[in-house]
Amino acid sequence: KAGVTQTPRYLIKTRGQQVTLSCSPISGHRSVSWYQQTPGQGLQFLFEYFSETQRNKGNFPGRFSGRQFSNSRSEMNVSTLELGDSALYLCASSPYGRHLNTEAFFGQGTRLTVV
Amino acid sequence: SQKIEQNSEALNIQEGKTATLTCNYTNYSPAYLQWYRQDPGRGPVFLLLIRENEKEKRKERLKVTFDTTLKQSLFHITASQPADSATYLCALVNDTGFQKLVFGTGTRLLVSP
Repeated sequence: KAGVTQTPRYLIKTRGQQVTLSCSPISGHRSVSWYQQTPGQGLQFLFEYFSETQRNKGNFPGRFSGRQFSNSRSEMNVSTLELGDSALYLCASSPYGRHLNTEAFFGQGTRLTVV
Repeated sequence: SQKIEQNSEALNIQEGKTATLTCNYTNYSPAYLQWYRQDPGRGPVFLLLIRENEKEKRKERLKVTFDTTLKQSLFHITASQPADSATYLCALVNDTGFQKLVFGTGTRLLVSP
């Protein structure tokens, strides 16, 4: 079974631009979450999608948005990029909906550098 | 405010010894707690999960304890090997069931031969 796939792996953008990152979850997984990882703040939750609906959102500005398609693939978008958005963006999938006993399967991440 | 603290300094131990990593939390009532391993440039990999009503969980050389009174989890690696060198993250989940993990800052473990 293929793991979680994130594309692209590396990205360099200029301040003010926007960027779209993609995540393909493990086949059959319906929940997709996004996280931002920086040296200063660690891993922080961005949002979670299940069956094309955003169910939970972290404390990030509205410049960060996402969506999920009917095949469970997900994209996240960051508009008006700032230098502080430079980070490793990680996507995680899990099989269930409201289920407590669920591990998260992470992708390799997209390394975004804003210059 | 909610806080999850792990040792920020790297833990250096010799091969064969037991590594013990700590995760302390405040202002949080997690339904369960997970431990992940992360290697440089890669995403976290799930290791163990323990529920709030469980005291201890084991998997091969790994053991996790969860003390909701002390608000602390301990993660042990017995007979450590250089291949165990990585950053270890604890993550808490509340009881909503939504897949939202709140991570600690992680502890880097270095196992020397």
